Amino acid sequence: DGGITQSPKYLFRKEGQNVTLSCEQNLNHDAMYWYRQDPGQGLRLIYYSQIVNDFQKGDIAEGYSVSREKKESFPLTVTSAQKNPTAFYLCASSYGTENTEAFFGQGTRLTVV
Amino acid sequence: SQQGEEDPQALSIQEGENATMNCSYKTSINNLQWYRQNSGRGLVHLILIRSNEREKHSGRLRVTLDTSKKSSSLLITASRAADTASYFCATDASETGANNLFFGTGTRLTVIP
Repeated sequence: DGGITQSPKYLFRKEGQNVTLSCEQNLNHDAMYWYRQDPGQGLRLIYYSQIVNDFQKGDIAEGYSVSREKKESFPLTVTSAQKNPTAFYLCASSYGTENTEAFFGQGTRLTVV
Repeated sequence: SQQGEEDPQALSIQEGENATMNCSYKTSINNLQWYRQNSGRGLVHLILIRSNEREKHSGRLRVTLDTSKKSSSLLITASRAADTASYFCATDASETGANNLFFGTGTRLTVIP
């Protein structure tokens, strides 16, 4: 089946540790995105990538890093510099052109313990 | 921020009634999209309306767009308990040319059986 997959579904991190969230898609989409969602809030853009080997900062990129070495994969690393990392993280992909919908993964809930 | 805003933040109706949610945004757009999110899950695309369209239908969904007022509405007719979810509008950033999606804060809809 075609789709976008995030893993793990739940992730616990100790303070001071870096963690990496996985996002893989087999939809042949050029564009991929990472969003953060806090309880009762909308989605805020962390990073986006329109093409392989290129990515851009979104509204809240501080404390996060990404890579886009393959078209199918867009992993997000939450670094120790992110002061409030506990949140629900959503990855999405699209064809990256106008008037196209985004397809979302099921999300990763990150909790700092 | 280019983030939109939905109104109301929360809406509770009886099954069979219609539900109307509104979205306001700030910048010029190529299109506006509506998404649905069940609790703790990813977002699912519902409908896309282009900036040169004024109204669009999809099953029990009706979307309107008024670009002069920078607003949109989503109407769900004959609501069902299964429609209980959060609904988000999303606009693209036509001025940046990046085709990123900027999401509103969402309307939490509860349909009472």
